[in-house]
Amino acid sequence: RKEVEQDPGPFNVPEGATVAFNCTYSNSASQSFFWYRQDCRKEPKLLMSVYSSGNEDGRFTAQLNRASQYISLLIRDSKLSDSATYLCVVKGWDGNKLVFGAGTILRVKS
Amino acid sequence: NAGVTQTPKFRVLKTGQSMTLLCAQDMNHEYMYWYRQDPGMGLRLIHYSVGEGTTAKGEVPDGYNVSRLKKQNFLLGLESAAPSQTSVYFCASSPNRPSHSNQPQHFGDGTRLSIL
Repeated sequence: RKEVEQDPGPFNVPEGATVAFNCTYSNSASQSFFWYRQDCRKEPKLLMSVYSSGNEDGRFTAQLNRASQYISLLIRDSKLSDSATYLCVVKGWDGNKLVFGAGTILRVKS
Repeated sequence: NAGVTQTPKFRVLKTGQSMTLLCAQDMNHEYMYWYRQDPGMGLRLIHYSVGEGTTAKGEVPDGYNVSRLKKQNFLLGLESAAPSQTSVYFCASSPNRPSHSNQPQHFGDGTRLSIL
């Protein structure tokens, strides 16, 4: 089983739609969680950290469920510019590394 | 403010050739990482370093070597390139251990490497 698993998609949604991605992780001791965004042929960039109580940044909301070991990302009012691959990232067991999921592809269409 | 710079950006090699990828950061970060990214596989850690003069193996270290002689540079070497090493390579750095209190990792633009 992979340490971090994501639905690869693609998720094809119209502009203005709400879309949610889930991610599961296997290491119950993981303490830090993040969502990264990666545009085609570009480097990954931090989108937001994921906190235990859930957190929001504009149209983006991240949730963490430790009991079920999953993380979610909700995007409201999707924009064309949100089209990208979203990477779920978990801090590794030794604390020195990040473990990346394979990513979920989002395509927002007009 | 360059951040993380990778050279070269593109390279084509023949099987058996050797080469070195250079990663340089100007943020005085302690930790540096080398990843490879293949379709459907996500980012996989090759080697990493938690400080000058130290290196450690990641998830897929075979066929690669690294050196961190200076804090700002992290070199990735392929001694005898194989077609299976065709990939996009990303370097990243972070101030220290990844946490919510700092930007976990800053990435370079990537190096696209093809082995024929």
